[in-house]
Amino acid sequence: AQSVTQLDSHVSVSEGTPVLLRCNYSSSYSPSLFWYVQHPNKGLQLLLKYTSAATLVKGINGFEAEFKKSETSFHLTKPSAHMSDAAEYFCVVSDGAGGSYIPTFGRGTSLIVHP
Amino acid sequence: ETGVTQTPRHLVMGMTNKKSLKCEQHLGHNAMYWYKQSAKKPLELMFVYSLEERVENNSVPSRFSPECPNSSHLFLHLHTLQPEDSALYLCASSQDVLAGVVNEQFFGPGTRLTVL
Repeated sequence: AQSVTQLDSHVSVSEGTPVLLRCNYSSSYSPSLFWYVQHPNKGLQLLLKYTSAATLVKGINGFEAEFKKSETSFHLTKPSAHMSDAAEYFCVVSDGAGGSYIPTFGRGTSLIVHP
Repeated sequence: ETGVTQTPRHLVMGMTNKKSLKCEQHLGHNAMYWYKQSAKKPLELMFVYSLEERVENNSVPSRFSPECPNSSHLFLHLHTLQPEDSALYLCASSQDVLAGVVNEQFFGPGTRLTVL
């Protein structure tokens, strides 16, 4: 069965410093992995996705993530945080086991950006 | 209008009321989802429809009743809810997987439900 663990419930950074949001996954197959962002009182928006192409994936707003099969990780990074990055971030896995492509969401990481 | 829309955006109802949430997608997708998002809890998948057939029902209480009349519309009918049902209800759509590639979900803005 697929699962995903977001290792930090909250991450706090200063504006202009790097962001690292950690995600580990478990899957018996070749998974597809996603990061979504949710700003307060809004729906979720796709940041980026990995679907077995290049292991370094670039997304919107300067975010990127690297798929590391040996570490079963898909951490999200950004070189320099902006105040507008403050939001909830979700790591998602879907591997098609049993013919089902219904995704599994992590519990979310709240990113706090200080001025 | 483009993307995924949800109405109403806010809803306050008593425990004896009957109401419905509506979701509409303008993306040509063939799968639609209902999620419940409560404060300090993980996102909970409630129902999934693929090609208008329900394919997932995650032990949701019968006071929540989904309906998918066509691939563009999804409803969640509510009756005799409890205060703990207060949450943000999110609708999403996606294109069913093709050639083994999983497609991303597109989310609506949600309906903020308060049960008194």
